[in-house]
Amino acid sequence: QVTLRESGPALVKPTQTLTLTCTFSGFSLSTSGMCVSWVRQPPGKALEWLARVDWDDDKYYSTSLRTRLTISKDTSKNQVVLTMTNMDPVDTATYYCARMLLSGSGWYVAFDYWGQGSLVTVSS
Amino acid sequence: EIVMTQSPATLSVSPGERATLSCRASQSVSSNLAWYQQKPGQAPRLLIYGASTRATGIPARFSGSGSGTEFTLTISSLQSEDFAVYYCQYYNNWPPGYSFGQGTKLEIK
Repeated sequence: QVTLRESGPALVKPTQTLTLTCTFSGFSLSTSGMCVSWVRQPPGKALEWLARVDWDDDKYYSTSLRTRLTISKDTSKNQVVLTMTNMDPVDTATYYCARMLLSGSGWYVAFDYWGQGSLVTVSS
Repeated sequence: EIVMTQSPATLSVSPGERATLSCRASQSVSSNLAWYQQKPGQAPRLLIYGASTRATGIPARFSGSGSGTEFTLTISSLQSEDFAVYYCQYYNNWPPGYSFGQGTKLEIK
């Protein structure tokens, strides 16, 4: 079955760089049609998509956060890594990785499997 | 940028009754819409994509409708486990992008 799990620091200081790792099983990112995204959710607030990496190593980013984000994959380890630079208290959130659903029309349309989330607090 | 607006913010419904949740897009998104359920302390769960296609394993009491700018999630007969927060999500095919509404909390009346 498909599972994803996020790992990383629970606390980072302002201006630091956050590195999160998503370790998954039940599928391979070397398989055509697979991709993984990162989504975050500040406490009590709505969800926000951050970035996506595809099986062919294509990468896409949120327009508003593009300059601060880097997503990468390690197919041999079944991992996806997200880095976010210059962290600020407003970046405090639960960060999720999620596999994406490829529709019959060939577009990645939704997030069908999610990790349990990793709460990151930004504070000095 | 397309903005997704959900209404109402909170909906109070009795078990066994029908619940109707709305999502409006600031401009047409065709049928590029998904719905999620989120319970406290849990990750979201995909319910509907393509505006009306139920995801794998989702009960038939959940249905989605709409296209263009107006979308609806209907839960035909509320079960106790359905009380949660529901989010709609728009997906842009190219360039890829995904945006969520602010959520509707469905609570027990």
